[in-house]
Amino acid sequence: DVVLTQTPVAQPVTLGDQASISCRSSQSLVHSNGNTYLEWYLQKPGQSPQLLIYKVSNRFSGVPDRFIGSGSGSDFTLKISRVEPEDLGVYYCFQATHDPTFGAGTKLELK
Amino acid sequence: EVQLVESGGGLVQPGRSLKLSCAASGFTFSNYYMAWVRQAPKKGLEWVATISTSGSRTYYPDSVKGRFTISRDNAKSSLYLQMNSLKSEDTATYYCARIWPNWVDYWGQGVMVTVSS
Repeated sequence: DVVLTQTPVAQPVTLGDQASISCRSSQSLVHSNGNTYLEWYLQKPGQSPQLLIYKVSNRFSGVPDRFIGSGSGSDFTLKISRVEPEDLGVYYCFQATHDPTFGAGTKLELK
Repeated sequence: EVQLVESGGGLVQPGRSLKLSCAASGFTFSNYYMAWVRQAPKKGLEWVATISTSGSRTYYPDSVKGRFTISRDNAKSSLYLQMNSLKSEDTATYYCARIWPNWVDYWGQGVMVTVSS
């Protein structure tokens, strides 16, 4: 199974600051078709997860442009510029290149 | 508007069975792969099962293979998860999820399953 390692486990932030979350894979996430199926989800307290980013860097419908996904191969990053209150929660990376797996999550919380 | 509404959760004894349902609306159900994803209390997300558009292909991780069965009824726009030989570690919120094209784009609100004597 592909293991996704997210760091940090928790990210204390001040509203308006930038936050950065890392996701590293135990194997390359480049599919044989050339696509890289690495996604990011946010789970707000008491809610279901919601899709933010698909295929590394593409924002899902309605996702603000302060969410920026980047990376390649087995090393990926989600940056959130100008953190707002509604951005707080747990962020998960996910890969669908191999049998699907999630990272363990990163909690974005107020400092 | 895409809607996925799970039902069928509850308290069940270890070793017993339970069947979850998911009613889909707001999209052409038969065009999409579907999945179940679970989340144990205070824990992360775990993929449980996937089913193809026709139902002919399924995938399960080792943690549930041989005990869980995913199925669908395209005429009723419904997804199911039959869970047998339940264990305490199956206690979780189970989410119905739509897959497009390779990842989950919409999630249900979840249904709680508690396995305890």
